[in-house]
Parts: sequence; structure tokens; C-alpha cells
Amino acid sequence: EPEVTQTPSHQVTQMGQEVILRCVPISNHLYFYWYRQILGQKVEFLVSFYNNEISEKSEIFDDQFSVERPDGSNFTLKIRSTKLEDSAMYFCASRRDRVGANVLTFGAGSRLTVL
Amino acid sequence: GQQVMQIPQYQHVQEGEDFTTYCNSSTTLSNIQWYKQRPGGHPVFLIQLVKSGEVKKQKRLTFQFGEAKKNSSLHITATQTTDVGTYFCAGPMGSGGSNYKLTFGKGTLLTVNP
Repeated sequence: EPEVTQTPSHQVTQMGQEVILRCVPISNHLYFYWYRQILGQKVEFLVSFYNNEISEKSEIFDDQFSVERPDGSNFTLKIRSTKLEDSAMYFCASRRDRVGANVLTFGAGSRLTVL
Repeated sequence: GQQVMQIPQYQHVQEGEDFTTYCNSSTTLSNIQWYKQRPGGHPVFLIQLVKSGEVKKQKRLTFQFGEAKKNSSLHITATQTTDVGTYFCAGPMGSGGSNYKLTFGKGTLLTVNP
């Protein structure tokens, strides 16, 4: 079964450092998402991406965050200058298309620990 | 904005007991989805309900969508230790195109005592 793959599985970084989290969505999917889950809390929407541009972003997704689809397969989330409160699990998700396919397929997540 | 509320936050049961989690939306939903997240894992899609009053079953799991399409429930009959995890409901926002996203409830963490 096709899956969304994420790397790294765990990253430890110092506060103020830049971090790039990588995702390879399912190949025929068109819509891409990043969600965040702070330990023990709910899954929160960060940003959605379609046709090589951001469709929507949440209040969490401030100027420190950016997303990119540098080639036909990768979808990245960059945090420019990490803060302690950025420590969380970051999930990438993708969705096929708008016709009868509302379901998101999530990757296994990247755990970010900011020290 | 749209809010999706879920109760209870935690539920601990003895193996064999039943379990129910409830989800309420502040707005009418076009559909509602349920996901399960095992400890240390990622959300995995369980089911989607679309029609008013819809009931779907997956083995010991029964999912309901309210008549007003603002609430939903997940009921597990005779829980097993493999049912352990956090169950999230999620409601969509947007029309289905580029503005579509899911808003998750806070989840119900189910633990099962063998």
C-alpha cells in the first residue's frame, strides 16, 4: 500500500538552529499538508500546499516556517530559527484529489526536540 | 472558526468492557472522519461518515453520524488490548479543493487493562 515517508524520524537541535523536515507524499496525490502534535496534545494544522503554492496556513505557521516542493517528489518544512516550543511531532500528509477523496494519509512523523 | 470537541479525554477500561467516545462540531459537517493513533505512532484513517444518521461497522467498532451532521460517536464492543491508542475525530473545512483541511478533536486516549 502506498505510503507517505518522512525523514528524519527524530531530530535534536539547539535553539536558534535551522531545521528541515522532509516528506515524500504518495506519488499521485496532489494536496500536501503539515500538521504538528505537541506531546500528549491534539493534531494541529500548520499548512496546506497545492499546485506549488501555499493554499492555507494557520496562526502557528509564522515567518519562521516555510514549505517547499523542490522537485517532483519531496515536500519540505523548514523552521528557520527553532524555539523550545517548536518541540513536537511533525506529520506530513497528502490527499489525492477533490473528487471523493477527502481522506488524508499521514506519514510516520518526524520528532523534533529543541534544546 | 470551526471547533471539534471530543470527550472524554481519557478512558481506562478492563479488557472486555465497552468504550465510547463522542465528538461534537460547532458547525455542520459535510463528513466526519475517525483516526486512530497508537502510542508513538501516527494517525491512521479508520472511517469516513457522510450521510445524516449514518451508521457504519468495522468488526467491533461502530461509528455513528448524527442526524444534524454535527456530532458523531465511536463505540467499541468488548475492548481488547490491541484497541489501545488515541481515537481522533476530524471534521473537514473547505470545499474539497485547495482550501480543504481537517480539524482534529483533542482525541480520547483509551487504555485497556488486560
